[in-house]
Amino acid sequence: GAVVSQHPSWVICKSGTSVKIECRSLDFQATTMFWYRQFPKQSLMLMATSNEGSKATYEQGVEKDKFLINHASLTLSTLTVTSAHPEDSSFYICSAPPGSVATEAFFGQGTRLTVV
Amino acid sequence: GENVEQHPSTLSVQEGDSAVIKCTYSDSASNYFPWYKQELGKGPQLIIDIRSNVGEKKDQRIAVTLNKTAKHFSLHITETQPEDSAVYFCAAIRGYSTLTFGKGTMLLVSP
Repeated sequence: GAVVSQHPSWVICKSGTSVKIECRSLDFQATTMFWYRQFPKQSLMLMATSNEGSKATYEQGVEKDKFLINHASLTLSTLTVTSAHPEDSSFYICSAPPGSVATEAFFGQGTRLTVV
Repeated sequence: GENVEQHPSTLSVQEGDSAVIKCTYSDSASNYFPWYKQELGKGPQLIIDIRSNVGEKKDQRIAVTLNKTAKHFSLHITETQPEDSAVYFCAAIRGYSTLTFGKGTMLLVSP
């Protein structure tokens, strides 16, 4: 099946610094990618929809200035957590639908962010 | 918007037994229903999916059934193995909108 690669798999950063997470579609082009956040023992919460060549669409309650999304190419979307604080510590996951069937989605491995 | 309910939240079975996880959805226009398996510290992995024009789909030990009238779909795992232990999520989607996930089921298969 389609492969989505996410990097890094884990990161520890100090409060106030920024962290960038990359999401790549390895064997297909993705005009749309999705970013999720997952707290322990909870389901995935959609944060934003990343659109290649245009602005991301954020879900209600998600600060767009806090979570910067860039989708500069058909195979790469990045999520930057700016001025990170301990409450931003979470598991961040991206997904991308392959081909023209936009309903299917394959997920990256996830990134465990710990802000100390 | 769409609402997906998933039950049970935890499920413990003995190795070799069958496991069934059920989901209901609210939007009758939803037409795609995937199931994901998530192991600890990893992203969700698509294990099986079904579209609204199909009532049942099977892949080896895994099967999914869909009842559009009742708006519910179920995951069936037969001959469970310890490596099946994980959290399973159902989801529903209509057309090209975003996925709506259930809250997940933690499946524990004891040897």
